[in-house]
Amino acid sequence: DAKTTQPPSMDCAEGRAANLPCNHSTISGNEYVYWYRQIHSQGPQYIIHGLKNNETNEMASLIITEDRKSSTLILPHATLRDTAVYYCIVRVGGGTASKLTFGTGTRLQVTL
Amino acid sequence: NAGVTQTPKFQVLKTGQSMTLQCAQDMNHEYMSWYRQDPGMGLRLIHYSVGAGITDQGEVPNGYNVSRSTTEDFPLRLLSAAPSQTSVYFCASSAGTRDTGELFFGEGSRLTVL
Repeated sequence: DAKTTQPPSMDCAEGRAANLPCNHSTISGNEYVYWYRQIHSQGPQYIIHGLKNNETNEMASLIITEDRKSSTLILPHATLRDTAVYYCIVRVGGGTASKLTFGTGTRLQVTL
Repeated sequence: NAGVTQTPKFQVLKTGQSMTLQCAQDMNHEYMSWYRQDPGMGLRLIHYSVGAGITDQGEVPNGYNVSRSTTEDFPLRLLSAAPSQTSVYFCASSAGTRDTGELFFGEGSRLTVL
């Protein structure tokens, strides 16, 4: 699975958009980009995933560059409850999802 | 649905003791896995199972045993606990061959080995 690089921490004001970047320059054509988050010490929570098209759901939007070497997770209106560690993961999708490898992620702090 | 249920939530062991962390899911998921998370670090995969009767090692399997006799349950056994196994343990499941990449996690089991 391709390796990902994320900034260790970011701050965002409540109500503003939080844009979390992820570099995955060695991504292969059949690898998906997944985003999870972990609030405090709870179990990680799935947010969104995509292959090459931009994706949006009720939680966030995922923007993948045309060359697929990087992506951005967007939380359109961050709230204090979005304070968490966000993990960007790249792996082959479909089938047994899983053996997902979680790095150290980006710690997002949403402030008043 | 309860989702993924882990027990116990907290446990303190002495070095050399054995114990089993329980994990159960009620979503009929084929795939289950165990991760550990140490302070300031990401999650590391211990063991996983792609279906009943099938298990395999992850990144950090030493010191742990697993079995998968039913679809619902995936217990993690520590045969002789060591202080290095002090960690938070997470169980996760997914739909396996039908999955979309979404892993469902339990709330975690916090283990301290003295």
